[in-house]
Amino acid sequence: DVKVTQSSRYLVKRTGEKVFLECVQDMDHENMFWYRQDPGLGLRLIYFSYDVKMKEKGDIPEGYSVSREKKERFSLILESASTNQTSMYLCASNSNYGYTFGSGTRLTVV
Amino acid sequence: QKEVEQNSGPLSVPEGAIASLNCTYSDRGSQSFFWYRQYSGKSPELIMFIYSNGDKEDGRFTAQLNKASQYVSLLIRDSQPSDSATYLCAVMLLNNNNDMRFGAGTRLTVKP
Repeated sequence: DVKVTQSSRYLVKRTGEKVFLECVQDMDHENMFWYRQDPGLGLRLIYFSYDVKMKEKGDIPEGYSVSREKKERFSLILESASTNQTSMYLCASNSNYGYTFGSGTRLTVV
Repeated sequence: QKEVEQNSGPLSVPEGAIASLNCTYSDRGSQSFFWYRQYSGKSPELIMFIYSNGDKEDGRFTAQLNKASQYVSLLIRDSQPSDSATYLCAVMLLNNNNDMRFGAGTRLTVKP
């Protein structure tokens, strides 16, 4: 069974902290994505990557960065967490058969 | 115009009824279409995909595609309270990276 694993289900961080969200997939997929999801706003693409060491900005990259040092791992970094980054974060990888999502990380910034 | 549009709902149906969820898309070249179900607090899970015009059935679920009208729908027959969730329509773009665009989702409530 294909799997996308996000390291944390729930996180609480303080304003100004540097936050790392980790995502690992075991499907050997080239493409990986980070979304955030907020009530009424749907899925919004933050960053994506089509290959190791490669990254592209999505629709809302401000305040975020990413790292893809290995094919299976795609990390989202909040350089200085702010309260408006409180959200559900979803990682995904894709194939011809659509996206597979991780279980999500609900991040609260206080 | 949004790339993928869904009725925002919420949609409420009684148990045992047919729930009909609708989606339109703007990229006429799109070839693959997906429906995801997302329970509250959980991540989206794929329930159906469809590539060809017409109907595709899987148990109580039927996906319908009309490329000429750029319209895709999901019918849920004999709706159950456990079907209560948000349903996301997604369209795969015609590029080499299998990029997808998601609708905002329709919240469905099935009342016992």
